[in-house]
Amino acid sequence: DAGITQSPRHKVTETGTPVTLRCHQTENHRYMYWYRQDPGHGLRLIHYSYGVKDTDKGEVSDGYSVSRSKTEDFLLTLESATSSQTSVYFCAISEKGLNEQFFGPGTRLTVL
Amino acid sequence: QKEVEQNSGPLSVPEGAIASLNCTYSDRVSQSFFWYRQYSGKSPELIMSIYSNGDKEDGRFTAQLNKASQYVSLLIRDSQPSDSATYLCAVNKAGSQGNLIFGKGTKLSVKP
Repeated sequence: DAGITQSPRHKVTETGTPVTLRCHQTENHRYMYWYRQDPGHGLRLIHYSYGVKDTDKGEVSDGYSVSRSKTEDFLLTLESATSSQTSVYFCAISEKGLNEQFFGPGTRLTVL
Repeated sequence: QKEVEQNSGPLSVPEGAIASLNCTYSDRVSQSFFWYRQYSGKSPELIMSIYSNGDKEDGRFTAQLNKASQYVSLLIRDSQPSDSATYLCAVNKAGSQGNLIFGKGTKLSVKP
């Protein structure tokens, strides 16, 4: 398995609080992605990174920000969580664009 | 037209049979195509990638790509109950940094 960890694995929080999810990789891959998965919508890209300090928006980026200060870590922040952000969040990594993406174990986030 | 479409299923096949999973995509310039398997409560796991027209075989799995018809399929031979999962089709988003567009998945059930 690709060396990808996500923390926390489960989190319950209240509306309006900030939340940060962490993705950590040991593969030294250049590309990292954050997805959310919801019933009826499938996997949707939130933000991605193509290098240290290089990030861009995905399909559903509103309400989320990201940071990547070193190759191995990609952080996803919900500045003020809303109930609509209740979801399962997956991080993925890829060595090169157009190549296979490998997923972390996921974080289940519940916003009350 | 949705970008990546899959029959949601459930697709039910008897043990030992061939399971056929289909996916169509809308972007003619897409270059990379992937099949992921996702067990309930788990993260997506890459099982096949295909980049050129034709068939690609890996064990019991065969991916088939027809770019003219914008169609990609996955065949699972000698299906086993352990193959019961949701299968996700993913296609690269043209002009992006390797971003993938996922279908909503087909749920496969293999009956003993």
